[in-house]
Amino acid sequence: EVQLVESGGGLVQPGRSLRLSCSASGFTFDDYAMHWVRLVPGKGLEWLSGISWNSASIGYADSVKGRFTISRDNAKNSLYLQMNTLRTEDTALYYCVKDGRWFRDLYSWGQGTLVTVSS
Amino acid sequence: QSALTQPASVSGSPGQSITISCTGSDSDVGSYTLVSWYQQHPGKVPKLMISEDIKRPSGVSNRFSGSKSGNTASLTISGLQAEDEADYYCFSYAGSSIFLFGTGTKVSVI
Repeated sequence: EVQLVESGGGLVQPGRSLRLSCSASGFTFDDYAMHWVRLVPGKGLEWLSGISWNSASIGYADSVKGRFTISRDNAKNSLYLQMNTLRTEDTALYYCVKDGRWFRDLYSWGQGTLVTVSS
Repeated sequence: QSALTQPASVSGSPGQSITISCTGSDSDVGSYTLVSWYQQHPGKVPKLMISEDIKRPSGVSNRFSGSKSGNTASLTISGLQAEDEADYYCFSYAGSSIFLFGTGTKVSVI
């Protein structure tokens, strides 16, 4: 059974940094692309970033480009999201998501970790 | 990068069919066979309902079907049931490792 467990969320002040982690199990991690997606309270889903199985292909949404960095460690079955210069509008529930294969769809989702940016 | 356009809400009676549209551009929806659809109930994790424009993953009811014409993809729910009341989002590859969500549609069963 696929399991994706996010961690690292919490309350942080505007302008500060936070690093999210996602621990994956139940599948061959380095066979799949991975993504970060967020749900803003009262709004919709927003795709933030995706990374191919070998980290060779990486994409970012304009809203986070230059501030957020996605990475993965296939030896540790882990996905990361380094978030810098956080803004109040980054307050959201952040999901780690397993792709259907290689940048195809959002096949399996973690339960999410809540990030609150507030002074 | 602009979000794909969906109607804010769609409603129907039990047993009816409804269709949710998702309009993009030549750069995303119209260029790739990579539109997927997600259902999200309040407080729950999103669920993949349709992949690669028209494919239904294992375990998804055959009342859900996907289609596409040009830059517009559609999700049709047949035989509407109370449990179908949820938010629905389309999602498309836009090239260069970039993806876009739709604006989301709230489906109500009245």
